[in-house]
Amino acid sequence: GEDVEQSLFLSVREGDSSVINCTYTDSSSTYLYWYKQEPGAGLQLLTYIFSNMDMKQDQRLTVLLNKKDKHLSLRIADTQTGDSAIYFCAEMAGNYGQNFVFGPGTRLSVLP
Amino acid sequence: GAVVSQHPSRVICKSGTSVKIECRSLDFQATTMFWYRQFPKKSLMLMATSNEGSKATYEQGVEKDKFLINHASLTLSTLTVTSAHPEDSSFYICSVPQVTEAFFGQGTRLTVV
Repeated sequence: GEDVEQSLFLSVREGDSSVINCTYTDSSSTYLYWYKQEPGAGLQLLTYIFSNMDMKQDQRLTVLLNKKDKHLSLRIADTQTGDSAIYFCAEMAGNYGQNFVFGPGTRLSVLP
Repeated sequence: GAVVSQHPSRVICKSGTSVKIECRSLDFQATTMFWYRQFPKKSLMLMATSNEGSKATYEQGVEKDKFLINHASLTLSTLTVTSAHPEDSSFYICSVPQVTEAFFGQGTRLTVV
């Protein structure tokens, strides 16, 4: 079945860039996603990228997709303390309207 | 504003009792909703697919008699944890899929004592 992997922890200093990496196995995934979860809260969609794109930029967020290597990354520029959260990489499993397969989440800690 | 409303956000119940969690789609009609469970320091695992007008589809290893799902209308799905035990304590999240993304509820923290 589908599998999504991420490193579990990342610490950066405030103002630096954060790069969170993700690998996935389902080459048929049409969309790949990054979600943010703050403590005790649900999931907030940060951004998503269509599989025929290599890069997507949205303000401080840059998503890079290497479809050949099945590697997805999320770069957060000028990381702030408010960015401290768990970031989940996810792929849409199956066809339209199907469920998501999530990675284990990367806990980002931003140090002052 | 919120697209999906999940209620309650936190609940503490005694072992052996049942707890109902509601998931409402505020902006979309949803023939399908998903229920996830998040274990501590782990990812979200799909429990079941809630289908309006028909039975829910459960993932392997999920007890359908313990986790009752009712998709009462195009905007409401409920998850009832029956005869709850401490090992059912977890964070439960529902989602409403759309064309290119899914909208998630705020989640429900269930603690069984």
